[in-house]
Amino acid sequence: EVQLVESGGGLVEPGGSVRLPCAASGFTFSHVWMSWVRQAPGKGLEWVGRIKGETDGGTTDYAAPVKGRFTISRDDSKNMLYLQMNSLKTEDTAVYYCTTESPYSSSLDNWGQGTLVTVSS
Amino acid sequence: SYVLTQPPSVSVAPGKTARITCGGNNIGSKGVHWYQQKSGQAPTLVMFHNTDRPSGIPERFSGSNSGNMATLTITRVEAGDEADFYCQVRDSSSDYVFFGGGTKLTVL
Repeated sequence: EVQLVESGGGLVEPGGSVRLPCAASGFTFSHVWMSWVRQAPGKGLEWVGRIKGETDGGTTDYAAPVKGRFTISRDDSKNMLYLQMNSLKTEDTAVYYCTTESPYSSSLDNWGQGTLVTVSS
Repeated sequence: SYVLTQPPSVSVAPGKTARITCGGNNIGSKGVHWYQQKSGQAPTLVMFHNTDRPSGIPERFSGSNSGNMATLTITRVEAGDEADFYCQVRDSSSDYVFFGGGTKLTVL
């Protein structure tokens, strides 16, 4: 059974940083594309970015609002995905979900339960 | 950027058919995926690549995609279907993922 478990959320001041880990299990993690998706309170879903699997070079892509501030990385030896968030703004307040992404269909097949990051002074 | 347009809300009586649309420029040339998000829960995939249902999703859920509109159809709607639904595509030129704004399905 595929499991994705995010952690690391909490209250952060504007301009601050936080790293969100996502623990993966139940599949061959190193081969799988992984994405982060966020949802601001009462709002819709917004794609944050992805990291491709090792066979596809492990490269990253980022949505425009977070490019240059957020970094996605992975540790395939530990089946862990990370989202490093720097220079945080109040508009980054959201529940952050880690997901698997099919490189073939582009669907986000499996989702974690999410972790809430609140950016506020 | 690629814009996906969904109606904010759709209401339907139990046992009837709900149709949730997702509009986009030449969306028929893309693979569209649909997610259901029940209150307080994470989204779950209910339709991928326009017409394919993941295991465990009832046959009451079906999809179509042509021209500038994709549609998720739910027949014999049940109270438990009430949720927010989102469409999603990946733009082939940028490789970026885009979501529609979401549609709240209310079962009357």
